Amino acid sequence: SQQGEEDPQALSIQEGENATMNCSYKTSINNLQWYRQNSGRGLVHLILIRSNEREKHSGRLRVTLDTSKKSSSLLITASRAADTASYFCATDFSGTYKYIFGTGTRLKVLA
Amino acid sequence: GAGVSQSPRYKVAKRGQDVALRCDPISGHVSLFWYQQALGQGPEFLTYFQNEAQLDKSGLPSDRFFAERPEGSVSTLTIQRTQQEDSAVYLCASSSTGTGVYGYTFGSGTRLTVV
Repeated sequence: SQQGEEDPQALSIQEGENATMNCSYKTSINNLQWYRQNSGRGLVHLILIRSNEREKHSGRLRVTLDTSKKSSSLLITASRAADTASYFCATDFSGTYKYIFGTGTRLKVLA
Repeated sequence: GAGVSQSPRYKVAKRGQDVALRCDPISGHVSLFWYQQALGQGPEFLTYFQNEAQLDKSGLPSDRFFAERPEGSVSTLTIQRTQQEDSAVYLCASSSTGTGVYGYTFGSGTRLTVV
């Protein structure tokens, strides 16, 4: 079973716009990660945020974490066509080594 | 190697056949994970190794699924008597730590189609 649920399931935006996707999870965590998956390829690790952090930046990516609401968001600023992919959040199940993935958000950036 | 290597990239199996999927993790990575990803879904955890020890196999869907990592490096996921519901992409990931705090490095996966 999947621990996380991403919202929206699909998102279509114009190049240059910002894209925001959300992740909700069920159990307590130590870390939450975001991954990108291009069609037919493996997952690429984007960013990890620890449970004691509220916000983290990496390039055009901004991740927030609200442990009281058991939710996280990923913001991609100034999107590019190359950002077209599926994005997944993954949480360490009850603080163990086991990362459980959400259902993913399919992002399409139109040139 | 520079990344996680999985082979074969694609596999078509007749129902009832056994298949073996191989994963070559990054050299020196102690943790190795197998995930199953159905079309349009997120990856689902199958099993976890720390070095050669299989510490968690709770995600294996049935006793037809078997994984090993005998020398703590290369791992093989074997599916016996394949069924159509086994069709999926099988992803392998490795990590330098046991807690994945630096993220996992995933291979490109093996797409298994059972006909």
